[in-house]
Amino acid sequence: KAGVTQTPRYLIKTRGQQVTLSCSPISGHRSVSWYQQTPGQGLQFLFEYFSETQRNKGNFPGRFSGRQFSNSRSEMNVSTLELGDSALYLCASSPGLAGGQDTQYFGPGTRLTVL
Amino acid sequence: AQSVTQLGSHVSVSEGALVLLRCNYSSSVPPYLFWYVQYPNQGLQLLLKYTSAATLVKGINGFEAEFKKSETSFHLTKPSAHMSDAAEYFCAVSPNSGGYQKVTFGTGTKLQVIP
Repeated sequence: KAGVTQTPRYLIKTRGQQVTLSCSPISGHRSVSWYQQTPGQGLQFLFEYFSETQRNKGNFPGRFSGRQFSNSRSEMNVSTLELGDSALYLCASSPGLAGGQDTQYFGPGTRLTVL
Repeated sequence: AQSVTQLGSHVSVSEGALVLLRCNYSSSVPPYLFWYVQYPNQGLQLLLKYTSAATLVKGINGFEAEFKKSETSFHLTKPSAHMSDAAEYFCAVSPNSGGYQKVTFGTGTKLQVIP
């Protein structure tokens, strides 16, 4: 089975711009979660989508949004970028049937740099 | 509220020596516990997962971890370190119900293997 793929792998944006990141989960997985990883804050949960619906949400401002398509692929959008949004954004997929106890499979991440 | 503490942000071992990475958790209910490894510019890969089936959990790449309720610990060990083990390791705790927004990740331990 192919693993979780994320595109692009690297992005450089300037403050005020917006960005869209893409994630393709493992075939058959219906849950896609997004995480932000920074040296200072570590791994922080952004949100989870399951069957095209946001099922869980972390404590991030509304500038961070996402969606999931019928083929389970997911996109994450960040509007009005700030310097503090520079991070590694990780996508993780799982079957989605056992909540937070399901094993998640992570993609390689998208490294976003905001200048 | 649950939490997880990883003692030692950096650990150095000689090649062939025992690897011991420490993780202590707090949880009001028996949790699920995970160890992940992250190589540079990569996502997280699951090493092993505790689900209360057995206190000694064997994972990939020769790693294992023992759940000790009395010590609220879930330390990761490997008898003989290999150069390829150099990476960052994350411990995570999840309650036995609820979504991924309830998973708490540790701050990570970077393992250096000295030839």
